[in-house]
Amino acid sequence: KNEVEQSPQNLTAQEGEFITINCSYSVGISALHWLQQHPGGGIVSLFMLSSGKKKHGRLIATINIQEKHSSLHITASHPRDSAVYICAVPRNGGGADGLTFGKGTHLIIQP
Amino acid sequence: GAGVSQTPSNKVTEKGKYVELRCDPISGHTALYWYRQSLGQGPEFLIYFQGTGAADDSGLPNDRFFAVRPEGSVSTLKIQRTERGDSAVYLCASSLVASDGHRFFGPGTRLTVL
Repeated sequence: KNEVEQSPQNLTAQEGEFITINCSYSVGISALHWLQQHPGGGIVSLFMLSSGKKKHGRLIATINIQEKHSSLHITASHPRDSAVYICAVPRNGGGADGLTFGKGTHLIIQP
Repeated sequence: GAGVSQTPSNKVTEKGKYVELRCDPISGHTALYWYRQSLGQGPEFLIYFQGTGAADDSGLPNDRFFAVRPEGSVSTLKIQRTERGDSAVYLCASSLVASDGHRFFGPGTRLTVL
């Protein structure tokens, strides 16, 4: 079964700072998911990526399949980016599998 | 509706009671997943349906937990003889086809067992 490690667990930064959240996993995968969860809120899918890099607005996700590592970056961070960011991978590596989740990174952006 | 819906949004029950939690996936989505999220933790996989059948139920913690999806759309997660440790947010997600990978999550049902 896949295991997921995320770092940091908690991150507090000032508005405008560049943010990086890291994720590593143990078993080769078809794709990795980055998700966002606001306090008391549901989970929103940000990215699903299997190689290289994806960008959506101020969010950038990269993955290195060989090293089993992914990063989520936020440029020009804003207080509304404050949330828990979760990395998830297929439990057994395949695209149809249920996901194994990291413990999440609790991000706070201060104005 | 356009998204995954779950009912009820909150459920409070007493230890030993039976509960049912419902998930309505996005119309046409063939894959459906149930997860459980305890306070301060990431979600944990429970069960995955492809159509009407459970493709992987290895995440169900014990035989008190059971889930069905009789017509391949709505799913019900059933918990018998609830225990205080079952208290968590139960999340449902769906995917158009399993291999597509893109998951859409419901808002969750917060279950509290007193």
